[in-house]
Amino acid sequence: EPEVTQTPSHQVTQMGQEVILRCVPISNHLYFYWYRQILGQKVEFLVSFYNNEISEKSEIFDDQFSVERPDGSNFTLKIRSTKLEDSAMYFCASRAVNTGELFFGEGSRLTVL
Amino acid sequence: AQSVTQLDSHVSVSEGTPVLLRCNYSSSYSPSLFWYVQHPNKGLQLLLKYTSAATLVKGINGFEAEFKKSETSFHLTKPSAHMSDAAEYFCVVSWPGTASKLTFGTGTRLQVTL
Repeated sequence: EPEVTQTPSHQVTQMGQEVILRCVPISNHLYFYWYRQILGQKVEFLVSFYNNEISEKSEIFDDQFSVERPDGSNFTLKIRSTKLEDSAMYFCASRAVNTGELFFGEGSRLTVL
Repeated sequence: AQSVTQLDSHVSVSEGTPVLLRCNYSSSYSPSLFWYVQHPNKGLQLLLKYTSAATLVKGINGFEAEFKKSETSFHLTKPSAHMSDAAEYFCVVSWPGTASKLTFGTGTRLQVTL
C-alpha cells in the first residue's frame, strides 16, 4: 500500500540552526501539507502546497519557514533559524485530486536545544 | 469561527465494553468529517470519514461514527473495545473551500484496561 514517508524520524538541533525535514508523498498525489504537533497540544495546520506554490498557510508559518518541492518527488520543510518553541512533531501529508482524504507520514520529531 | 471540540481528553474502558468518543463541530457550513487514530510513536491513520453520503459511517477495526446534523456531532463508537485500540483519537473537520485544510480537535486518549 502506498504511503507517505518522512525523514529524519528524529532530529536534535541547536537553537538558531537551520533544519530541513523531508517528505516523499504518495506518487500520484498533487496536494501536499505540513502539520505540526507540539507535545501535549493539538495538531496544527502549517501550510498547503499545490502546483508548485503555497496555496494556504497559517499564522504559524512565518518567514522562518519555507517549503519546496525540488525534484518532483520530495517535499521539504525548512526552518531557517530554529527556536526552542519549534520543538514538535512535524507531519507531512498528501492527497489525490478527487478525494478529501489526507494520508499522513509517521512524523519527524524535532527537538531544539 | 470554525471549530471542532472533543469533549473528553481521556476515556478509560474495560476490554470488551463499548467505546464512545465524542466530537462536536461548529455549523457554519456542511463539513467533511474524519476520525484519525495515532498509536504511540506512529503517524496519523484514517479510521473513517463522512462526506455527505450515508450518515452512519463504518471504518476500520470495527469503529463507526454517526453524523447528526441537528446536534452538530460526529461521535465515534465501537461495540467492544480491544487492548489494541488504546491510542489517541482525533476528530477532524474540513470545511468547503479550504482546500482540504484539516482542523483537528484536541484529541481523546483512549485507555483500555483488562
